[in-house]
Amino acid sequence: KQEVTQIPAALSVPEGENLVLNCSFTDSAIYNLQWFRQDPGKGLTSLLLIQSSQREQTSGRLNASLDKSSGRSTLYIAASQPGDSATYLCAGYFYNQGGKLIFGQGTELSVKP
Amino acid sequence: EAQVTQNPRYLITVTGKKLTVTCSQNMNHEYMSWYRQDPGLGLRQIYYSMNVEVTDKGDVPEGYKVSRKEKRNFPLILESPSPNQTSLYFCASSFGAWGSNQPQHFGDGTRLSIL
Repeated sequence: KQEVTQIPAALSVPEGENLVLNCSFTDSAIYNLQWFRQDPGKGLTSLLLIQSSQREQTSGRLNASLDKSSGRSTLYIAASQPGDSATYLCAGYFYNQGGKLIFGQGTELSVKP
Repeated sequence: EAQVTQNPRYLITVTGKKLTVTCSQNMNHEYMSWYRQDPGLGLRQIYYSMNVEVTDKGDVPEGYKVSRKEKRNFPLILESPSPNQTSLYFCASSFGAWGSNQPQHFGDGTRLSIL
């Protein structure tokens, strides 16, 4: 069964730090991987989407990478701010899963002023 | 404004009373799906639809029905709700699924409590 794992479940950092969130998956036959942000009581907002043919995507202070061979994706947040505090989820479409989008359980990030 | 709209946002009801949660998108997206989010279990896909009249089961379809009679709407139906269906539900849409470089757009969620 395809699994997507995010470690750690929670992370607390002081403002201004650069940080990396991790996402791993068991099957390298991946179509694409997305990173989402979820604020408490809200829906998910898509941050970055990486196609299987790409190695990374950047948007502002965010950079996401994808390494299919090792089954890993990372989300790098530069110069973190208190407004970055949220839960970050990764999710992927895999070749053997049809139209299902498989989510990790998320990393809850807290950036302290 | 491009959006996915779910209704109701909150619902408290009783076991066995049929209910429908509506989902509508205004972006002409082909792909729509429903998820439930539970503490410790994360987001799990219930059903998805690749286009009008095309639906398929996700990971946790038991106890749910869906229909896709028109492109913009994808209602989630609980014919006989039970307490284990108490959860936070999200609808999402996108231009495509795995082959697309377009991200998924999510609604704000429906918090459902079955007593």
